[in-house]
Amino acid sequence: QSVLTQPPSVSAAAGLKVTISCSGSSSNIGGNYVSWYQQLPGTAPKLLIYDNNKRPSGIPDRFSGSKSGTSATLGITGLQTGDEADYYCGTWDNSLSGGGYVFGTGTKVTVL
Amino acid sequence: EVRLEESGGGLVQPGGSLRLSCAASGFIVSDNYMIWVRQAPGRGLEWVSIIYSGGRTYYADSVKGRFTISRDNSRNTLSLQMNSLRAEDTAVYYCASPDCSPTRCPSLGFDIWGQGTMVTVSS
Repeated sequence: QSVLTQPPSVSAAAGLKVTISCSGSSSNIGGNYVSWYQQLPGTAPKLLIYDNNKRPSGIPDRFSGSKSGTSATLGITGLQTGDEADYYCGTWDNSLSGGGYVFGTGTKVTVL
Repeated sequence: EVRLEESGGGLVQPGGSLRLSCAASGFIVSDNYMIWVRQAPGRGLEWVSIIYSGGRTYYADSVKGRFTISRDNSRNTLSLQMNSLRAEDTAVYYCASPDCSPTRCPSLGFDIWGQGTMVTVSS
């Protein structure tokens, strides 16, 4: 059971916007940077956002990240069929024995 | 081009051992932190282990005492020695690393991923 909670699924029509929440605690999101990953079916995860709100080179600005307190949010605007994938947040958790990285429960994005 | 390629997966009986390798090209494994992540069939991502550039290591409770992460600097390779394997260790195993430069290095964000290697623990 992950310590980072995400909604199991979100959906919207093409061209619209979705937001995905990632809820944690002071020992993880509250005190550490958050990253977001996209995983298309049958492929390895891909980094979308790091350090809460930064995009790696090549990631379009349709993807954005934010953090407030013990929660983080990924936003996707101008939704495209190619955005249909699973999305995961990730961060360090200081409360795990010795510390450890944690992923969120994952959110499936569907484009209607 | 920076790249990671895993190998070593396969079918193993419960209680058996397996060693996964992750060959890096385009960067030096000892320069960055690197992780192993696994994904059981139909499930989400699960962090397994991390090794920092200074050699410090951490493990998920589910594998602590059974798995060992290490680097071979001469071969520029990351490894995961897995002992006392259980059915619940069945998963695709990925290695990953940040793509660091002098001006940019994510704080525990992983840009570079291998294609994954499947480990099946079954009798």
